[in-house]
Amino acid sequence: EAGVAQSPRYKIIEKRQSVAFWCNPISGHATLYWYQQILGQGPKLLIQFQNNGVVDDSQLPKDRFSAERLKGVDSTLKIQPAKLEDSAVYLCASSSVRRDQKDEQYFGPGTRLTVT
Amino acid sequence: GENVEQHPSTLSVQEGDSAVIKCTYSDSASNYFPWYKQELGKRPQLIIDIRSNVGEKKDQRIAVTLNKTAKHFSLHITETQPEDSAVYFCAASIKGWQGGKLIFGQGTELSVKP
Repeated sequence: EAGVAQSPRYKIIEKRQSVAFWCNPISGHATLYWYQQILGQGPKLLIQFQNNGVVDDSQLPKDRFSAERLKGVDSTLKIQPAKLEDSAVYLCASSSVRRDQKDEQYFGPGTRLTVT
Repeated sequence: GENVEQHPSTLSVQEGDSAVIKCTYSDSASNYFPWYKQELGKRPQLIIDIRSNVGEKKDQRIAVTLNKTAKHFSLHITETQPEDSAVYFCAASIKGWQGGKLIFGQGTELSVKP
């Protein structure tokens, strides 16, 4: 089966500009996650979707970050306006709702964002 | 909130030796503990996981142990090879029927010297 797809792979923007990332999960996976991974740290969850509904967005800086998954398949994450500290790799992951698989998360290749 | 501590931050071993990475978690409700391997510039790859109803799981050269009482779990790699060199992350999952979010440790950079 195809893995989690993300684009773009790299993005360089200036502070105060806006940027958007796209993710397409593994086919049939109802749960989708966006993580932020700052260099030298473990990934940190930003938002979790179950189909097109938000399950957890407690760590999402809502004044500048937004995310949507309108049709319950692919998702976009937006930052507006960007700050220097947003420089990180943004990872998308997905998981199945099957009882025997619902804990396993599979990651995409990530988008490396550099804010100058 | 849930917190996961991981040690050591760096680990260097000779090829053929064993490597052990340890993690502790804070939330006793956590019930799923995966380990990910991340090579430079690549995505995290799930290498092994364990659920709270078992104490140990093994897959070839990799094993994971879980001590629920002490709230810690460990990754053991035997007969290490240069291709095992990578950053390893432990994680703990908050219980939830919708598939819980993962709380990650800070990572261990493993270097296997030939």
